Amino acid sequence: GAGVSQTPSNKVTEKGKYVELRCDPISGHTALYWYRQSLGQGPEFLIYFQGTGAADDSGLPNDRFFAVRPEGSVSTLKIQRTERGDSAVYLCASGFRLSNQPQHFGDGTRLSIL
Amino acid sequence: QKEVEQDPGPLSVPEGAIVSLNCTYSNSAFQYFMWYRQYSRKGPELLMYTYSSGNKEDGRFTAQVDKSSKYISLFIRDSQPSDSATYLCAMSEGAQKLVFGQGTRLTINP
Repeated sequence: GAGVSQTPSNKVTEKGKYVELRCDPISGHTALYWYRQSLGQGPEFLIYFQGTGAADDSGLPNDRFFAVRPEGSVSTLKIQRTERGDSAVYLCASGFRLSNQPQHFGDGTRLSIL
Repeated sequence: QKEVEQDPGPLSVPEGAIVSLNCTYSNSAFQYFMWYRQYSRKGPELLMYTYSSGNKEDGRFTAQVDKSSKYISLFIRDSQPSDSATYLCAMSEGAQKLVFGQGTRLTINP
């Protein structure tokens, strides 16, 4: 597709459940980023992939959060033992590795933990 | 104190007015500065992308960066109701994570 695609667009689940959020970046983009946006706040960085490897995972809040990008394209953000505080919009962005190229965002997955 | 400070507003102006949005930051290593527009239930959409200090103009939008003051601005001329959205400033040291401001909610009244 032309833009960053994220699925599902909405996810509602119960506290304690496991969730997977998927991101399909713009074709050819080598860098992929995950952010989390709480209501009324700007996005906050979670993790950055360059190719298949996580170049920076300093934003992951704890070990319940994990992300993979096995083939250097699609990425999955995984959250174990979800908590109500995990409710937020999870945004994915992709770009080229070059510093002078910006990141382009998908529309996010709206995650609600009941 | 946050690395990037942005007044959340809300800001409400009449159609046709000039809008001024701004952010301050504390990290002198930031070199790349962006403004994103975000409509309700949508992802951030890139509006302006600048490197280091200076001005950049694109249609009705002008971005200014003053690294000496750690201050960036976005000006919108001839504002339209379709410009009503949340405007996010963002910055980075390189091809790495973006650090965002809180976002300013803007309404243009017809």
